[in-house]
Order: sequence, then structure tokens, then C-alpha cells
Amino acid sequence: KAGVTQTPRYLIKTRGQQVTLSCSPISGHRSVSWYQQTPGQGLQFLFEYFSETQRNKGNFPGRFSGRQFSNSRSEMNVSTLELGDSALYLCASSTLRGPGNTIYFGEGSWLTVV
Amino acid sequence: QQPVQSPQAVILREGEDAVINCSSSKALYSVHWYRQKHGEAPVFLMILLKGGEQKGHEKISASFNEKKQQSSLYLTASQLSYSGTYFCGTERGSGDKLTFGTGTRLAVRP
Repeated sequence: KAGVTQTPRYLIKTRGQQVTLSCSPISGHRSVSWYQQTPGQGLQFLFEYFSETQRNKGNFPGRFSGRQFSNSRSEMNVSTLELGDSALYLCASSTLRGPGNTIYFGEGSWLTVV
Repeated sequence: QQPVQSPQAVILREGEDAVINCSSSKALYSVHWYRQKHGEAPVFLMILLKGGEQKGHEKISASFNEKKQQSSLYLTASQLSYSGTYFCGTERGSGDKLTFGTGTRLAVRP
């Protein structure tokens, strides 16, 4: 069974630009979560989607947005990029949502903002 | 609210034991443990639900003290492959998101 797939793996953007990251969950998984990972902050929750609906949102500015499609694939978008947005963005999927469900991570998308 | 992990970093010799703690100020429903190697995705180790059960996977086990809102990960007879950063994630209940601690860096030396 294929794992969580994220694209692109690496990208470099300029301040002020926008970026879209893509995530394909494990087949059969309907819940997708996004996390931002930086050296000092660890894994910070961005948002969670289930059945195309955002179920939870972290404490990030409105420049960070996401969506989920009917096939459970998800995208996240960051507009007006800032240097501080440089991070590893991880997507994770699970069969269902709610407490006690294991989430499985993809390898992430490394974003560098210059 | 982000759980607190301790220690922040630990260095072991092969064969030594280690304990990593994860605590929260809020009542918890579940605790999840992951290990991440440099440049790789976090890998699921185990999940503990409220009830204080202990789980094990080979030489890695964990406990969850519901009263103290604390979980501990036990690494026994450590191997070189145990090196990495360990994260605990916590959930408080239905509808809650999985919130991770800042991680514990573990290095196992020959």
C-alpha cells in the first residue's frame, strides 16, 4: 500500500510569492492534516480536513489556507510568503478523524523562502 | 496547548536505557509517540488511550498516567537504529487536534 505522497519535495520561492503544496493520502484514508515543522518550534498544527470540510485549524495567519477534494487529496496554499515561512510542511492522513486514530506522515515538502 | 517533553536531548551508549517524558496541563484522551530520523517523515511508534495502559513494541514501551496527564516512553537496551527525534502528540478528546511537543533528540553511540 502506497504511503502518503507529497509534492513537490523541495522548492524555493521569493518573498511575496505564493506556493501550493499537494498531498495524496493513503488509499482509503479520508482525514488529512497539515503540520509545519521548524527547528525551534517542532511540529505545529496547521489544519485538518475530513470529507472536504475543515474540521480544525491551528494558530496561523489567514495567508495559510487549504482544501480537500472529493478523492481525499489535499492542497495547502501560502500566499504572500515571508522568510519565516521557510519550513518543512508535513501532511498526514488517517482513516477516520477524532481522538485515538493513528495518523501517518508523508516525507514532507521543504520550502525555502529567499 | 503544546505538551512538554523532557529531556530535550539525550546521548546514550549502545545497550543503555532511556526514558522520555511527555506531560500536559490538560486532561488527555490519548498520547501518540513518533520517531523522526533526519530528513525523513515521522514514523508512528504507538498510541496510548486513557486508562493507564502500557504498550510495548520489542524493546520500546510506553505508559500513560491519566491522573498525572503524563506519558513516558521507555527505550530498553538501545540500538544505533533508535537514534532520532522522538515526538509525543496529545489529544484531549472528541474533535480535538493532535498537538505535538517540541521533541527529544536521542543519539545512540557505539
